[in-house]
Amino acid sequence: AQSVTQPDIHITVSEGASLELRCNYSYGATPYLFWYVQSPGQGLQLLLKYFSGDTLVQGIKGFEAEFKRSQSSFNLRKPSVHWSDAAEYFCAVGAINDMRFGAGTRLTVKP
Amino acid sequence: DAGVIQSPRHEVTEMGQEVTLRCKPISGHDYLFWYRQTMMRGLELLIYFNNNVPIDDSGMPEDRFSAKMPNASFSTLKIQPSEPRDSAVYFCASSPPRDSGTQYFGPGTRLTVL
Repeated sequence: AQSVTQPDIHITVSEGASLELRCNYSYGATPYLFWYVQSPGQGLQLLLKYFSGDTLVQGIKGFEAEFKRSQSSFNLRKPSVHWSDAAEYFCAVGAINDMRFGAGTRLTVKP
Repeated sequence: DAGVIQSPRHEVTEMGQEVTLRCKPISGHDYLFWYRQTMMRGLELLIYFNNNVPIDDSGMPEDRFSAKMPNASFSTLKIQPSEPRDSAVYFCASSPPRDSGTQYFGPGTRLTVL
């Protein structure tokens, strides 16, 4: 069955530190992969997406993600976190007619 | 271009009342999705439309929920009668043609049923 797992419910990092948010999936074929960010009181905003080609994709706000087929993972990274990155992050996997969202990872940024 | 527009942003109602949530998708998008978000259940897909036609409503919790899309620029989600357990944030999202899944979310409607 198709599923998306974000193993970390909550992560705290210091401002300026690097960040990696994990996403693992189970899907019948190579899926389309997405990362969204949700700030408090707002809707989800697309950070980046992977459809095919280069497995390292760049997104907005300095984020990047790497698709690793052998590990069924699509982890999100940022080299230096800013206080404004505090939000909830969702990984999504699938296609237009079968999209699965992870449970989300809440990021807290310490000054 | 304006994003997905939802109204109202906040709704407080009493149990048993009818609630109607509204959504205007981004112009030119041919998919429209309704989601519900709660702390306990996360983000749940309720129903989605393609070219104004409902494709999958298997996520609609029960018959009290109904959704319509009378034209390409407007959709409603109705709850009748509402119950306290319907309290949640409801999101509308739309997708452009041939984009393989990218969704553009509205700001959501926070519904509180007393």
